[in-house]
Amino acid sequence: GAGVSQSPSNKVTEKGKDVELRCDPISGHTALYWYRQRLGQGLEFLIYFQGNSAPDKSGLPSDRFSAERTGESVSTLTIQRTQQEDSAVYLCASSLTGHTEAFFGQGTRLTVV
Amino acid sequence: KNQVEQSPQSLIILEGKNCTLQCNYTVSPFSNLRWYKQDTGRGPVSLTIMTFSENTKSNGRYTATLDADTKQSSLHITASQLSDSASYICVVSADRGSTLGRLYFGRGTQLTVWP
Repeated sequence: GAGVSQSPSNKVTEKGKDVELRCDPISGHTALYWYRQRLGQGLEFLIYFQGNSAPDKSGLPSDRFSAERTGESVSTLTIQRTQQEDSAVYLCASSLTGHTEAFFGQGTRLTVV
Repeated sequence: KNQVEQSPQSLIILEGKNCTLQCNYTVSPFSNLRWYKQDTGRGPVSLTIMTFSENTKSNGRYTATLDADTKQSSLHITASQLSDSASYICVVSADRGSTLGRLYFGRGTQLTVWP
């Protein structure tokens, strides 16, 4: 596609439910990043995928969070047993390996009620 | 550890005033540094890129500086406008040879311009 696409754009879920967020990177982009932005807070690193290498999961806040990416395609971020503190905008960005510009999606606004 | 630190976390200024945002990094080896602007409800978009050999680069009312020796960059906004209200994010690229060109993101500075 023309840009990074994230879905859904908005998600309201009940506490304790599982949610799955999707990111479609720009075709051919080998690097993919997930970040979180809580209201009034800065970017918070979650996970980094680079091609077929083992992802850097060091930013995932708890074992309720997991992410997958098959090859250089779509990535999904799954949050199990959602809590109110999970409410945030989840941003995805992709870039070409060795390229310096990251292209961001519009984000998924998650609200846990 | 490769890190990017931005300051201040948030800033409020009056329309027409100037301001400077700071970015310090420990990413090594360094390739380049970009400043992004994120309007409310949108994804960040690139404003300017600074490579190792560049000290200053301007983009309209935005001027970025880079001191590769001290590993510091600044983004200066002149004659601020209401539309400058946004989050400004500093992103540093590691040299491809070391970490496949991984990008390291700062947390951002939230700028609010009041009329």
